[in-house]
Parts: sequence; structure tokens; C-alpha cells
Amino acid sequence: GAVVSQHPSWVICKSGTSVKIECRSLDFQATTMFWYRQFPKQSLMLMATSNEGSKATYEQGVEKDKFLINHASLTLSTLTVTSAHPEDSSFYICSARGDNEQFFGPGTRLTVL
Amino acid sequence: ELKVEQNPLFLSMQEGKNYTIYCNYSTTSDRLYWYRQDPGKSLESLFVLLSNGAVKQEGRLMASLDTKARLSTLHITAAVHDLSATYFCAVDTYSGNTPLVFGKGTRLSVIA
Repeated sequence: GAVVSQHPSWVICKSGTSVKIECRSLDFQATTMFWYRQFPKQSLMLMATSNEGSKATYEQGVEKDKFLINHASLTLSTLTVTSAHPEDSSFYICSARGDNEQFFGPGTRLTVL
Repeated sequence: ELKVEQNPLFLSMQEGKNYTIYCNYSTTSDRLYWYRQDPGKSLESLFVLLSNGAVKQEGRLMASLDTKARLSTLHITAAVHDLSATYFCAVDTYSGNTPLVFGKGTRLSVIA
């Protein structure tokens, strides 16, 4: 099946710094990618829909100025967590839509100290 | 608004036993997915169900889809410890660029 990669797989940062997470579709083009976050023992929560060449669509309650999304090409979307705080610590997962299903990246574990 | 309900949310079962996880959803869809998630890992695709009556089997797991009842089931046969994980169903309305809608997940623990 199609492959979606994420980088980095884990990151530890100090409070107040910004962190960029990359999501790439390796063998297919994705006009739409999705960003999820997952807290321990909970389901995935959709944060935003990333659209190539246009602005992302954010879910209610997700601050667009804090979670910056850029989808500059058909194979790359980035999520930047700006001025990170400990409550932003979470598991971030991206997905990209292929022909008949969505393919998920391996996730990025963010820990903010 | 599409809602997806899974039950049970927690399941502890003995090795060798059979059990079924249920996934109900609220609006019309003929695309449903089952995923497995191990602790600290992302989602692993188990089954893609694309039509009414679809049934797929892989090892000790079998998934089915009844679009008229808006119900999918994941049946576990003769459970083994390696099946311990969290299982999610997700429904796809597949209209444009809409995301999947996930159930809350079923945390399965298989004990000896």
C-alpha cells in the first residue's frame, strides 16, 4: 500500500520554542492531508485539513495561529507548533488520502518541557 | 454530523475465546475501515470495507459491513495474546476532502 512518512518521529523541546513536523506521501500525490492529535488512551482527534495550495481548514477549538499548517506541494504538508507549552505534548499523526483509503504516517511524539 | 460508536470500549478476554466488536454509524456510508494501534505506535490498517455485505478475513480477525444497518463488526476467533491492542473503526463519507470519522476505540486485552 501507499506510504506516508513523518519526521521527526519524536521531539523534545523547551516551553516557548516552535517545532515543525513534516508529513510526506512517498509514492503518491495527495491534494489533501489531515492532521490528528492523540492523547494517551484516547481516540484520534482531527485538528485540521491541509489542502495543497490553499489555506488549511481547522476544526473548532484548534488555534490556527498556534498550529501553522503549510501544504506547499502534492507530497508534503508541515505542521508547526508555535510557542509550544507542556499541554501541547501529544502524539501527532498525519494522513493522506489515496484512491480508496487514507494512509497514516507513523506519528510524531512531541514532549514539551 | 456523522457519529461513530464502538462497543465495547474495553474488552478483556481469555486466550482461545471468541468475541465481536461492534461499530455503529449514524449516516449513509459504504466505506468503513478497521485499524489496529499498539501502544506508542500509529495506526495499522487491518481491513477496508467498500460495499454492503463485504466480508474480509485475515488470520483470527474477520470484519463485515452491513450498510443498511449502518453496522460493522470485527470478530475475533480463538484469541491469542498478540491480538492485545486498541482497535478503531473509521467511517469515510468520501465526499471531496472529508476526513475519516473515528470511533473511540476498543482496548483489547487477551489474557492467558
